[in-house]
Amino acid sequence: QVQLVESGGGVVQPGRSLRLSCAASGFTFSRFDMHWVRQAPGKGLEWVTSISYHGNNEYYADSVKGRFTISRDISKTTLYLQMNSLSAEDTAVYYCAREGGEGGPAHDYWGQGALVTVSS
Amino acid sequence: QAGLTQPPSVSKGLRQTATLTCTGNSNNVGNQGAAWLQQHQGHPPKLLSYRNNNRPSGISERLSASRSGNTASLTISGLQPEDEADYYCSAWDSNLGAWVFGGGTKLTVL
Repeated sequence: QVQLVESGGGVVQPGRSLRLSCAASGFTFSRFDMHWVRQAPGKGLEWVTSISYHGNNEYYADSVKGRFTISRDISKTTLYLQMNSLSAEDTAVYYCAREGGEGGPAHDYWGQGALVTVSS
Repeated sequence: QAGLTQPPSVSKGLRQTATLTCTGNSNNVGNQGAAWLQQHQGHPPKLLSYRNNNRPSGISERLSASRSGNTASLTISGLQPEDEADYYCSAWDSNLGAWVFGGGTKLTVL
């Protein structure tokens, strides 16, 4: 079965960096676009970034553009999110999600999430 | 990036029918359709409907999605206690080059 397992969350000081990982299994990782979606405490879902199945195309929300970088390692079936210049507004649970579905793709599988807390 | 518009809350009685709405524009919902997700407190979101209104395997037939113009709808019939959750819509915005989410609707089953 499809599994997405995030790791790397924690408490980080403002201005510092953190890297999240998402280990994928149960499907052919190289055939699917992948996403990061975050949810601040008590708030709704916010799309952060996505990467195409071949890794050649990346898209970012304006709120993270220039600070966050998405990448993937096909051989390790792992998705990454490098987060730099973190601020309190980046505090959230970060979910890794797969984009699937013929004809009308959506985020069809989600990980359990990794909590990132930016605080001094 | 502007998001999609959802009513913050909807309340319906047990076994009644609830219709949740999601309004966007011609660059997202109107052009690409909207997906629907359910989230229970403390859990990750779960996909209920793809952007073409098809249900993933295992999703109850009590749920049906549709679209009219720039507004997508999710109808849940025969409401059960387990339907009480937050519901989000999402769509790809071809103008922004980004995915957008609605603010979410909290469904209460009375």
